[in-house]
Amino acid sequence: QQQVKQSPQSLIVQKGGIPIINCAYENTAFDYFPWYQQFPGKGPALLIAIRPDVSEKKEGRFTISFNKSAKQFSLHIMDSQPGDSATYFCAASRGGSYIPTFGRGTSLIVHP
Amino acid sequence: DAGITQSPRHKVTETGTPVTLRCHQTENHRYMYWYRQDPGHGLRLIHYSYGVKDTDKGEVSDGYSVSRSKTEDFLLTLESATSSQTSVYFCASLRDSKSETQYFGPGTRLLVL
Repeated sequence: QQQVKQSPQSLIVQKGGIPIINCAYENTAFDYFPWYQQFPGKGPALLIAIRPDVSEKKEGRFTISFNKSAKQFSLHIMDSQPGDSATYFCAASRGGSYIPTFGRGTSLIVHP
Repeated sequence: DAGITQSPRHKVTETGTPVTLRCHQTENHRYMYWYRQDPGHGLRLIHYSYGVKDTDKGEVSDGYSVSRSKTEDFLLTLESATSSQTSVYFCASLRDSKSETQYFGPGTRLLVL
């Protein structure tokens, strides 16, 4: 049973575009929603994270939008650059649990 | 990155042979994890550890075993490698139960012929 559903599986945009990656979760006990970024040949690394008490969080060109009632959250990349080309994973976890649930990942390609 | 290293980084082996992958962390993190990454499947948890000699199974544990004799080391063993275990394996760590950010190692690419 997949508790965090991520879409799309792959995404291609032009430089300057705004790719959007969506995730939906089922477990209402989740209270921490991170996004990880993985470059080819590297391990994933935390990019940005949000808690359900806010609807939006921005860090540089990266924004998480969170909709608690719909149990959905999304990653927006403003003014995307070729260097943003990577695989992005959403995840969800709940307080006291040390095992996050990951989405299946989105491969993003940003063309110059 | 919690100073996580994995060895070897690449390995080619034959079906039926045992294989051990090593994960080493220098930050005294309590929790450690082994994941495998395959196209279309994302990151799948194989085994995890919540302390020295304390381990438990993840969602894809069949054919794998782990050991953690020291805080800093977490070993993953493929008891008898099969072609379906060809994958990229990532180790991760988490400082403690109040932490939320996992730190990942650079990965081990394993090819089972």
